[in-house]
Amino acid sequence: GAVVSQHPSRVICKSGTSVKIECRSLDFQATTMFWYRQFPKQSLMLMATSNEGSKATYEQGVEKDKFLINHASLTLSTLTVTSAHPEDSSFYICSAPTRGQSDTEAFFGQGTRLTVV
Amino acid sequence: GQQVMQIPQYQHVQEGEDFTTYCNSSTTLSNIQWYKQRPGGHPVFLIQLVKSGEVKKQKRLTFQFGEAKKNSSLHITATQTTDVGTYFCAGKVGGTSYGKLTFGQGTILTVHP
Repeated sequence: GAVVSQHPSRVICKSGTSVKIECRSLDFQATTMFWYRQFPKQSLMLMATSNEGSKATYEQGVEKDKFLINHASLTLSTLTVTSAHPEDSSFYICSAPTRGQSDTEAFFGQGTRLTVV
Repeated sequence: GQQVMQIPQYQHVQEGEDFTTYCNSSTTLSNIQWYKQRPGGHPVFLIQLVKSGEVKKQKRLTFQFGEAKKNSSLHITATQTTDVGTYFCAGKVGGTSYGKLTFGQGTILTVHP
């Protein structure tokens, strides 16, 4: 099946620094990718839709200047958490839809656990 | 906006007991998908339901989509310890962006051996 690779899986950074997370579709092209944030034992909260070759679409309440998204190619989207603070610590996960065994089945990356100290 | 409610939030069962999680949407869905997330892992696609009243089975798992396409359920017969994890439903509303899903809150299943 389709594979989405996310890197890094874990990152610890100092408060005030920026962190880049990569999401790659390994065996298919993804014109659209989605970025989610997940708190412990909670659901996936959609942050933004990453669109290849155009600006990302952010969900209400998500700061676009805080969470920079770039989708420069058909297989790569990046999420940069800028000027990270401890409250940004979370599990970030990307997904890419593809017409696999079903219409718009979502394949998820492994997730990135971000800890801001 | 669209909301997808899922209950229960937690379910503890003894191995061999059955388990059901329910999903309700505030709006009619074009399809509903179910995902499983193991502890420490990422969500993995289980199945998609598209048709009104559709029922699909995967071994011990039975998935249903309501007649009005607003609710769905996942039933596991005779749970095993390997069933442990969080089960999410995710709905798609017609006309939304390609692949955009709204996830339910998830049901955390614990199976005691």
